[in-house]
Amino acid sequence: DTEVTQTPKHLVMGMTNKKSLKCEQHMGHRAMYWYKQKAKKPPELMFVYSYEKLSINESVPSRFSPECPNSSLLNLHLHALQPEDSALYLCASSQKVLGEEKLFFGSGTQLSVL
Amino acid sequence: AQKITQTQPGMFVQEKEAVTLDCTYDTSDPSYGLFWYKQPSSGEMIFLIYQGSYDQQNATEGRYSLNFQKARKSANLVISASQLGDSAMYFCAMREGMEYGNKLVFGAGTILRVKS
Repeated sequence: DTEVTQTPKHLVMGMTNKKSLKCEQHMGHRAMYWYKQKAKKPPELMFVYSYEKLSINESVPSRFSPECPNSSLLNLHLHALQPEDSALYLCASSQKVLGEEKLFFGSGTQLSVL
Repeated sequence: AQKITQTQPGMFVQEKEAVTLDCTYDTSDPSYGLFWYKQPSSGEMIFLIYQGSYDQQNATEGRYSLNFQKARKSANLVISASQLGDSAMYFCAMREGMEYGNKLVFGAGTILRVKS
């Protein structure tokens, strides 16, 4: 099982709204990631949680707030977003096995900010 | 400096033929991992194949193989017997170092179109 589940699949929000993206995995992976991807561009790393602690923040604006309540769940809280934040938000998780660490992605949340 | 370079913005291949997607990388870290992902128009990122810097043999996964040339810092993806369902964006990516939860950096991607 290599499933990372993201909800919702699509989200439309206004610039004054507060919303959250959810990511869940039950593979026992202890590293989880948020990536942002604009159309026809590669994914760009936003945050990494390792053992439920924030280990990497790629200078992401504070209107994006990550949260890792437990080892299976990763949230991304959104507040006062801008239209340029419209993108595909991808969650991923990874586990190291025999020295190899492979990243598995969810199917993403397509976010539109109006 | 660009860490991962994919020089082919788009490629066409005839169904049932093989195709090679190019990827070169730049790192001074002796420990690194190289990945290829497929992204169909639906948006999901599908893991295809992995090559570790210390692996002696080229990685293979079904119809996918990775042509790893360490001295040339290249990690090309070879897809054999192309199928219409292979039409998608393909990303090469690299992780430097062996720490758990390290950053994965992606190349610009190559759009592959399989013709019938």
